[in-house]
Amino acid sequence: ETGVTQTPRHLVMGMTNKKSLKCEQHLGHNAMYWYKQSAKKPLELMFVYNFKEQTENNSVPSRFSPECPNSSHLFLHLHTLQPEDSALYLCASSQDSSGGASADTQYFGPGTRLTVL
Amino acid sequence: QKEVEQNSGPLSVPEGAIASLNCTYSDRGSQSFFWYRQYSGKSPELIMSIYSNGDKEDGRFTAQLNKASQYVSLLIRDSQPSDSATYLCAVNEFDTDKLIFGTGTRLQVFP
Repeated sequence: ETGVTQTPRHLVMGMTNKKSLKCEQHLGHNAMYWYKQSAKKPLELMFVYNFKEQTENNSVPSRFSPECPNSSHLFLHLHTLQPEDSALYLCASSQDSSGGASADTQYFGPGTRLTVL
Repeated sequence: QKEVEQNSGPLSVPEGAIASLNCTYSDRGSQSFFWYRQYSGKSPELIMSIYSNGDKEDGRFTAQLNKASQYVSLLIRDSQPSDSATYLCAVNEFDTDKLIFGTGTRLQVFP
């Protein structure tokens, strides 16, 4: 256990459904991330929140909507997804020290395996 | 777009041998380097981090960094079947400090 939890672990949804992924970290970190992992492709950063403020968007389609109510919780709201959005969605957290020379170690949650029919 | 390159493998080694995993990166300004292990169906798990040129050892694992040549490697001594997994190299992007991941190298350790 890394101290980062995600629910649900598996999700199957239709293209017209609305669902949300939840992430919670118990590490006292102040930065949280959403990544997408598809087969044969590197991890893709979707969103970054530092101190609850979104600092990275990476041109993610608007059908993915993040929400970070506090530094311990992160949501990813999903609506009208496409089959190509099927992937493993990973949440991570780190103790961000923006402005420093080194990136802080990121700890990953177990992921949500999403299938869009 | 900064890149991190890894051989996708699979890299097959016998039990007890040394497994050598390599990674090259394009951003000369990168300062932080990480190796993650990912078992099939699981999330990435941090193995090692390295920030300075040279070797860093932790148990059976040794990370090696050469910034001049822009490569980082991971050596696994006395490889065990339980080491069979995909190993992800991650490098920070100097401008943004975000992590750029490679596609991973699949390691198979056979008895």
